[in-house]
Amino acid sequence: DTAVSQTPKYLVTQMGNDKSIKCEQNLGHDTMYWYKQDSKKFLKIMFSYNNKELIINETVPNRFSPKSPDKAHLNLHINSLELGDSAVYFCASSQVQDSYQNIQYFGAGTRLSVL
Amino acid sequence: EDQVTQSPEALRLQEGESSSLNCSYTVSGLRGLFWYRQDPGKGPEFLFTLYSAGEEKEKERLKATLTKKESFLHITAPKPEDSATYLCAVQARGGGNKLTFGTGTQLKVEL
Repeated sequence: DTAVSQTPKYLVTQMGNDKSIKCEQNLGHDTMYWYKQDSKKFLKIMFSYNNKELIINETVPNRFSPKSPDKAHLNLHINSLELGDSAVYFCASSQVQDSYQNIQYFGAGTRLSVL
Repeated sequence: EDQVTQSPEALRLQEGESSSLNCSYTVSGLRGLFWYRQDPGKGPEFLFTLYSAGEEKEKERLKATLTKKESFLHITAPKPEDSATYLCAVQARGGGNKLTFGTGTQLKVEL
């Protein structure tokens, strides 16, 4: 039973399209994240939600909009896709409240290719 | 701004040849330093967290250590299955739960 699951695993689309990536965690964690990993393997945080509330919003184009319907789900919607959006997007989760550790558990990633 | 630099970028070892990976960091008050392993096509997998200088943690052939400026991941008598990219990340005090990652060390262990 996968702890952090993302769909789809691969996403190939044309420039200008709108797409969504879904993420679900069954670990009972209260905080979820979206990261972007570029072609050089650099992993950079984009957003973080704690109990459906946005708490980290790095410098990300407003074409990217995260949505958290409940604390087990965090989706990422991307409008007007550009070539530079091509990357691997990772979802992660951690238990923050009542936990000294902030161990983040990652999904398998969604490889987005914009043509 | 928090910074993490990992070296070397790539490392090739023979099976049984021990070595160390380096993670140098600059952070405004360290809350925790994390080591992850990432296999091709997969997400990072948690290995260790270190919280204060002098702390050490071990898991099988891996041992992580921490000083005030850097962390080392020592690999003793590696096996081919240890081949992966090893990522280091820091969490700063007052930075929320944000992890700042380095670009990783790609390790290949050959027979």
